[in-house]
Amino acid sequence: EDQVTQSPEALRLQEGESSSLNCSYTVSGLRGLFWYRQDPGKGPEFLFTLYSAGEEKEKERLKATLTKKESFLHITAPKPEDSATYLCAVPSDRGSTLGRLYFGRGTQLTVWP
Amino acid sequence: DTEVTQTPKHLVMGMTNKKSLKCEQHMGHRAMYWYKQKAKKPPELMFVYSYEKLSINESVPSRFSPECPNSSLLNLHLHALQPEDSALYLCASSQIQGDYYGYTFGSGTRLTVV
Repeated sequence: EDQVTQSPEALRLQEGESSSLNCSYTVSGLRGLFWYRQDPGKGPEFLFTLYSAGEEKEKERLKATLTKKESFLHITAPKPEDSATYLCAVPSDRGSTLGRLYFGRGTQLTVWP
Repeated sequence: DTEVTQTPKHLVMGMTNKKSLKCEQHMGHRAMYWYKQKAKKPPELMFVYSYEKLSINESVPSRFSPECPNSSLLNLHLHALQPEDSALYLCASSQIQGDYYGYTFGSGTRLTVV
């Protein structure tokens, strides 16, 4: 059973067209939820960590929010340089797999001029 | 220094070759990880080292051999790989194993097995 599910798989936006990406998770003892940006052929670049329901964090055109079962990454007035795959991940809540990150499949965002 | 540095960035190797991937961090992190990522898929955990000791091996074939010589360095030795092992290999680190402050990833090594 997937621990992390992201939607949509792909999203095409016109420059300036705001939208949201979704990440739902099933781990019971959440020890943080991470958002990463990944450009093709590169490693994931850390964006945010969220710890508790109601928490929000912002960075430039991105805002991440967290509820008890899901997180949203809101993109306001995106630019073409925001095009990337956005990954959501949660750390394992089991002692035997401590340190393992469960990743969603990602949302591939394309912003066209 | 808030980076994880991986070398080489690209590697092409034959199925009979022996090569090594290197990962270095100077953030004082005591947990280091190897992940494998195939195209259009999320990263998959291979190994976890905690305080220079192997903590998790996700049933990875023995043709992949990890090594942690010191707290800053992590190697992945490769031998007799198969074409299906071609992927982006990512190294990551965190303050401690299971840390919930964040995990820092390197830029990866793009491996092609011919």
